[in-house]
Amino acid sequence: DTAVSQTPKYLVTQMGNDKSIKCEQNLGHDTMYWYKQDSKKFLKIMFSYNNKELIINETVPNRFSPKSPDKAHLNLHINSLELGDSAVYFCASSPGLPAVLYEQYFGPGTRLTVT
Amino acid sequence: AQSVAQPEDQVNVAEGNPLTVKCTYSVSGNPYLFWYVQYPNRGLQFLLKYITGDNLVKGSYGFEAEFNKSQTSFHLKKPSALVSDSALYFCAVRDIGARGGATNKLIFGTGTLLAVQP
Repeated sequence: DTAVSQTPKYLVTQMGNDKSIKCEQNLGHDTMYWYKQDSKKFLKIMFSYNNKELIINETVPNRFSPKSPDKAHLNLHINSLELGDSAVYFCASSPGLPAVLYEQYFGPGTRLTVT
Repeated sequence: AQSVAQPEDQVNVAEGNPLTVKCTYSVSGNPYLFWYVQYPNRGLQFLLKYITGDNLVKGSYGFEAEFNKSQTSFHLKKPSALVSDSALYFCAVRDIGARGGATNKLIFGTGTLLAVQP
């Protein structure tokens, strides 16, 4: 069984569109994250939720909006997509807080290409 | 600001030889340090972490890392490399907030590509 799953795996869309990426974890973890990995493989955190509460909100455009309907799911919605949004987006989870004491489990990634 | 540096974009090693992937850090307070590995087209996988205690930390797949406070380093090592170890390796450090308190964020290095030749 996949521990952290993301859908879709690939997403190709045009500028200006709105898209969502879904993430689910079946590990029973309390904390979930969204990361962005750019073309140079640089990895940076975007958001984190703990038990559906937003605990990390990095400086990202407000076109990006995370939503956590329950602690097993964390979705990422992106409005008005731009070319610079092209990247691989990773979802991750960890058992609890403080999150940095626990290893994070990453999903397989969603490769977003904006044309 | 907290940071980690991985000075080598790529490390090449022959199978069976020892490998080292370098990481240096700059933090205020006690560092919490991590190594993750990313295989092609996959998400990151945890290898090991240093929080406190023994400076030599053992992790998954035969990897270990040595915490060196005086040199502010946390190099990843393995005695005998395998072709299957070829991957992208990330060092990470816990971030410290503006007021000096710990945050729940990790700051990742730029990654080092390890290529093990048969």
